[in-house]
Amino acid sequence: GENVEQHPSTLSVQEGDSAVIKCTYSDSASNYFPWYKQELGKRPQLIIDIRSNVGEKKDQRIAVTLNKTAKHFSLHITETQPEDSAVYFCAATRRGAGNKLTFGGGTRVLVKP
Amino acid sequence: DTEVTQTPKHLVMGMTNKKSLKCEQHMGHRAMYWYKQKAKKPPELMFVYSYEKLSINESVPSRFSPECPNSSLLNLHLHALQPEDSALYLCASSQPTMTSYGYTFGSGTRLTVV
Repeated sequence: GENVEQHPSTLSVQEGDSAVIKCTYSDSASNYFPWYKQELGKRPQLIIDIRSNVGEKKDQRIAVTLNKTAKHFSLHITETQPEDSAVYFCAATRRGAGNKLTFGGGTRVLVKP
Repeated sequence: DTEVTQTPKHLVMGMTNKKSLKCEQHMGHRAMYWYKQKAKKPPELMFVYSYEKLSINESVPSRFSPECPNSSLLNLHLHALQPEDSALYLCASSQPTMTSYGYTFGSGTRLTVV
């Protein structure tokens, strides 16, 4: 089955700096890669996703890049703000996986004012 | 309506109790999910329903019993749980071709087994 590894497990950045979280996946057939943000005590929320036919996607201050050859994808947050502090999960899935998402272990991001 | 609603938000139950968790969505999603999340860990899939039929059971113990009465509702019946079952239980929904739209999660039920 799919295995997703996520690094780093914790990330502390100064407000205004950039944050990068990296994930690697094992199943070369995986074709959908969402990112979820989970604030303390709240639900995971989809913040951005990318499909395997696209190399990069941006939405305001967040972007995701995908390298299919190397089987890794990354989340980039620019101009970080205190409200970006949360746990971020990457995930992967493929057609035929029965809608099952495999999550990475999570990255706790702390943005220091 | 773009939300998944879960009730109750908190539940404390004894090991001999029977209780149910409820989940409701009105987004027309035909796939619904139960996930279990322990502190500082990612969500862990338990069950997937697609078009009201159970399509995935991730070898979950029988003390957890899912039910999908209709396309908008998903229940999780709990019986004879153990303290290690204490966790946040998340419901989610999506279009059946999840690769198109991703999941929408509910806020979860925080379960404590005493």
